[in-house]
Amino acid sequence: AQSVTQLGSHVSVSEGALVLLRCNYSSSVPPYLFWYVQYPNQGLQLLLKYTSAATLVKGINGFEAEFKKSETSFHLTKPSAHMSDAAEYFCAVSEGTGNQFYFGTGTSLTVIP
Amino acid sequence: DAGVTQSPTHLIKTRGQHVTLRCSPISGHKSVSWYQQVLGQGPQFIFQYYEKEERGRGNFPDRFSARQFPNYSSELNVNALLLGDSALYLCASSLRQGENYGYTFGSGTRLTVV
Repeated sequence: AQSVTQLGSHVSVSEGALVLLRCNYSSSVPPYLFWYVQYPNQGLQLLLKYTSAATLVKGINGFEAEFKKSETSFHLTKPSAHMSDAAEYFCAVSEGTGNQFYFGTGTSLTVIP
Repeated sequence: DAGVTQSPTHLIKTRGQHVTLRCSPISGHKSVSWYQQVLGQGPQFIFQYYEKEERGRGNFPDRFSARQFPNYSSELNVNALLLGDSALYLCASSLRQGENYGYTFGSGTRLTVV
């Protein structure tokens, strides 16, 4: 069975500060891992994905995530937060069949000026 | 190029009624998936269709059904609506089945059941 746990439903950072959003996964097979961002009243936009290549994955808008198998984690980071980063972030895991994603409950990021 | 298009964007239905939601995938994409996102939660998988065949189904009651047409567009149907069906319904399309191809989500249909 696949599942994702996102620690911290709300995270607040100051503009220019480091962003760290946590994601831990459970998977019985080598996972495919994703981070999506959702702005108010919009759908999901793919930030980055891990598909068993490099463990450090770089995405759009300066975000990156590192796959750590020993910790079953896939935390999302950005060195310097921007006001436009304020949104809901979802971590997701997929099995090799690719039929469906299992999403976490999301982390709402607030950026303080 | 147009992204994934969903219609309508919002609708309000009464308990017990039926609803049909529509999705047009990105041109050339043959796989369509449906997700339900209840307020404050992550999306939950409902269906996946590829080449007009159902390839996956989530843990939803039989009141939920879907189909994919020859042009790869898709409909999600929900019968006997309950208050708990109120949610954002998201459609995602992909070139082919499989996560390596990447899924693009539409902006969703906001369904309110009263």
